[in-house]
Amino acid sequence: GAVVSQHPSWVICKSGTSVKIECRSLDFQATTMFWYRQFPKQSLMLMATSNEGSKATYEQGVEKDKFLINHASLTLSTLTVTSAHPEDSSFYICSFFRGYEQFFGPGTRLTVL
Amino acid sequence: RKEVEQDPGPFNVPEGATVAFNCTYSNSASQSFFWYRQDCRKEPKLLMSVYSSGNEDGRFTAQLNRASQYISLLIRDSKLSDSATYLCVVNTAGGGNKLTFGTGTQLKVEL
Repeated sequence: GAVVSQHPSWVICKSGTSVKIECRSLDFQATTMFWYRQFPKQSLMLMATSNEGSKATYEQGVEKDKFLINHASLTLSTLTVTSAHPEDSSFYICSFFRGYEQFFGPGTRLTVL
Repeated sequence: RKEVEQDPGPFNVPEGATVAFNCTYSNSASQSFFWYRQDCRKEPKLLMSVYSSGNEDGRFTAQLNRASQYISLLIRDSKLSDSATYLCVVNTAGGGNKLTFGTGTQLKVEL
C-alpha cells in the first residue's frame, strides 16, 4: 500500500520559534494532500488542503499566515507553524487519497514550551 | 450539534466479549462512511468502509442506517490487540475528499 512519511516525529520548541513539518508520499504522486490537527481526546480536525503548484485551501478558523503550507512537488508537502505558542501544541498529521482510501502519515507531535 | 458524534467511552470489556459502538452523523447528504482505528499517539488507520447493506470483515461488522443517520461497528470475540480508539468518519457529498472525524470511542480489552 501507499506509504506516507512525516518528519520530525516529535519536536519540542520554545515559544516564538517556527517549526517545519515535512510530509512525503513514498510510492505515489499526490496532487492533493491534507493537513490535520488533533488535540488530546479530540477528533482530527482538517486544517487545510494542500494543492501541488497552487495555494493551499484553509478551513475556517485556521490562520493561513500562521500555518504556512507549501506543496512544491507531487511527493512533498510542508507545514510550517510560525511563531509557535503553547496553544499550538498538538498532533499534526498529513494524508492523501489514493482511490477511495486515505493514507495518513505517522504524525508529528509538537510541544511548544 | 457535532457533525459526527460518538460516545467517547472508555469501554472496558473482557477478552472474548462482543462489543458494539454507535455513531450518528448530522448531514443527511453524507455519502461515504468509514471506521478507522487509532492507537495511542499514532495515526488513524482504515479499519473498514461501511456499506448500506452492511458488511463484515472477520470479527468486525459494520452497519449503516441512512434513515436514522446512524452507523455501528460490532466487534466479536474481542482480543487484547483490539484495544484502541475507533473513529467514525464521514465523507459528505460535494466535499471532495474531505472527511469529518468523530472524536472516537476508546476500547480497552482486558484479561
